[in-house]
Amino acid sequence: DAGITQSPRYKITETGRQVTLMCHQTWSHSYMFWYRQDLGHGLRLIYYSAAADITDKGEVPDGYVVSRSKTENFPLTLESATRSQTSVYFCASSEGSGRNEQFFGPGTRLTVL
Amino acid sequence: DAKTTQPPSMDCAEGRAANLPCNHSTISGNEYVYWYRQIHSQGPQYIIHGLKNNETNEMASLIITEDRKSSTLILPHATLRDTAVYYCIVRVVYGGSQGNLIFGKGTKLSVKP
Repeated sequence: DAGITQSPRYKITETGRQVTLMCHQTWSHSYMFWYRQDLGHGLRLIYYSAAADITDKGEVPDGYVVSRSKTENFPLTLESATRSQTSVYFCASSEGSGRNEQFFGPGTRLTVL
Repeated sequence: DAKTTQPPSMDCAEGRAANLPCNHSTISGNEYVYWYRQIHSQGPQYIIHGLKNNETNEMASLIITEDRKSSTLILPHATLRDTAVYYCIVRVVYGGSQGNLIFGKGTKLSVKP
């Protein structure tokens, strides 16, 4: 299917476990982004990537790791999940980070027990 | 610190125009005004953007004041499906972290039958 997809859509894990959230886009967009959304905070940028093998921190990067070996994939890993990382995670992509609009995925709802 | 100010909520009757205001009094010359919306439980969706001229597309119109310190998003004939949180964002056009989207709390628009 064309577009931007995220998997899993729902995930429950335990404190201390490693979790990887997947993001895949079929447009060959150069830029990809990870956001988290919590009540009272809106969407906050975690990491972004300008191209394969180029990543940079956003507003709230602590506790997360990203990689981008292929243009179409941008996985987000929580190396040791904490309860404060319970959130809804959105991936997005765009042709550039300038005037170009960002296209968002459907989100992953993560619960850390 | 917030770069935009929006009312937390608004109501609109179905079929009427919805006018959503946004103040961005500290906007600089190289910053565009963007509007996104987020329907419940979905990823944000791009609506429109502009620099200083009024813009219109198939979804909405964007009216930016001459001094660029405020703008209004207009949904000409609101439907129940337009019920969502609407985000007004200012961003620079070139790349790097300064070009990233910074979401505030937005305006929750409720379209009522």
